[in-house]
Amino acid sequence: GAGVSQSPSNKVTEKGKDVELRCDPISGHTALYWYRQSLGQGLEFLIYFQGNSAPDKSGLPSDRFSAERTGGSVSTLTIQRTQQEDSAVYLCASSQTRTNIQYFGAGTRLSVL
Amino acid sequence: EDQVTQSPEALRLQEGESSSLNCSYTVSGLRGLFWYRQDPGKGPEFLFTLYSAGEEKEKERLKATLTKKESFLHITAPKPEDSATYLCALSTGNQFYFGTGTSLTVIP
Repeated sequence: GAGVSQSPSNKVTEKGKDVELRCDPISGHTALYWYRQSLGQGLEFLIYFQGNSAPDKSGLPSDRFSAERTGGSVSTLTIQRTQQEDSAVYLCASSQTRTNIQYFGAGTRLSVL
Repeated sequence: EDQVTQSPEALRLQEGESSSLNCSYTVSGLRGLFWYRQDPGKGPEFLFTLYSAGEEKEKERLKATLTKKESFLHITAPKPEDSATYLCALSTGNQFYFGTGTSLTVIP
């Protein structure tokens, strides 16, 4: 069975541009999470989806960050007007429910020049 | 306040030198404790889930144990390929907390 898929694997952008990061979770997983991991750091929680709704957006660092999920499946994380401090690896995970094992994608490495 | 603390931050072992990684926690209503392995440039890979104090899980050279306040990941006779960052995570049902990880280096 397919795991969590993220695209692109690498993204280089210029400061001020908008970027979209995509996550395709494991089929049937209702819970989906976005995390950010800066070099040598731990996982920073961004947002949690249950189905298409996001009951927990507490980790989004600013209003430049937004995310949506459609059809209870694919999710897109959008960063507007990117800044250099947004450079990091963005990881997506999915699980059957919020209390279950989270399975991670390989991440998108974002570099803002 | 709910917290997850991993120690040590970094650990260097000689090949074959057994040791343990610690994950201590203060959370209300633990629903599950998870161990992950993360290799450089990759997403975390699930290793074990523990649900109640006294529970143990084993996989190859790794053994995870759980008490009411902490979990240990025991590594027996490690090999260089065990080098990675090991993450601990907790679920309370409403929240999921990750520790900052232990970076393990096994020297041949």
